[in-house]
Amino acid sequence: EMQLVESGGGLAQPGGSLRLSCAASGFTFNTYWMHWVRQAPGKGLIYVAGIRGDGGDTQYADSAKGRFTISRDNSRNTLSLQMNSLRADDTAVYYCAREADGFDVWGQGTMLTVSS
Amino acid sequence: QAGLTQPPSVSRDLRQTATLTCTGNSNNVGDQGAAWLQQHQGHPPKLLSDRNNNRPSGISARLSASRSGNTASLTITELQPEDEADYYCSAWDSSLSAWVFGGGTKLTVL
Repeated sequence: EMQLVESGGGLAQPGGSLRLSCAASGFTFNTYWMHWVRQAPGKGLIYVAGIRGDGGDTQYADSAKGRFTISRDNSRNTLSLQMNSLRADDTAVYYCAREADGFDVWGQGTMLTVSS
Repeated sequence: QAGLTQPPSVSRDLRQTATLTCTGNSNNVGDQGAAWLQQHQGHPPKLLSDRNNNRPSGISARLSASRSGNTASLTITELQPEDEADYYCSAWDSSLSAWVFGGGTKLTVL
């Protein structure tokens, strides 16, 4: 069974940093683009960042450029998102998702709250 | 970052047909097509149709996706109570070099 499990969310201070992780299983992880998508409470889905299967190419939404860094460890089937300079509007559920002509496998999400 | 445009809400009667729309431009929907996702409250999204309008295994044949120019559509026939959910479209945008989402449509089955 294909599965994605996010972790690392919680409460962070404005201006602080946090690292999210996503553990993948049930598919050949290194052959897929993987992405982070977030959803603020009661709001819609917002694209954050993506990374190619071999880690050699990345994509970022404007809101993430310069603050967030996506990475992957194919030896551990793990996707990560390093988030720096956090702001209140980064508060959201963060999902990792697999891309196959669309986002076809999703995790349950991990909640990040940015507040003092 | 510019996204895709979806009507905020659509209401239809039980067993009727609903067509949800998603409008983009020539850099996203018009170029690469759009994928459709369904999200029930408190759950992660689920892919209903990929950007080639193919349904993943297990998705009901009552759902069909299409595209005309820069507008993608998702049609759901014989509406059931479980179809009541939020629906999102998504597309790769070649000018932004990033994926974009629509704002979502809340489908209410009366």
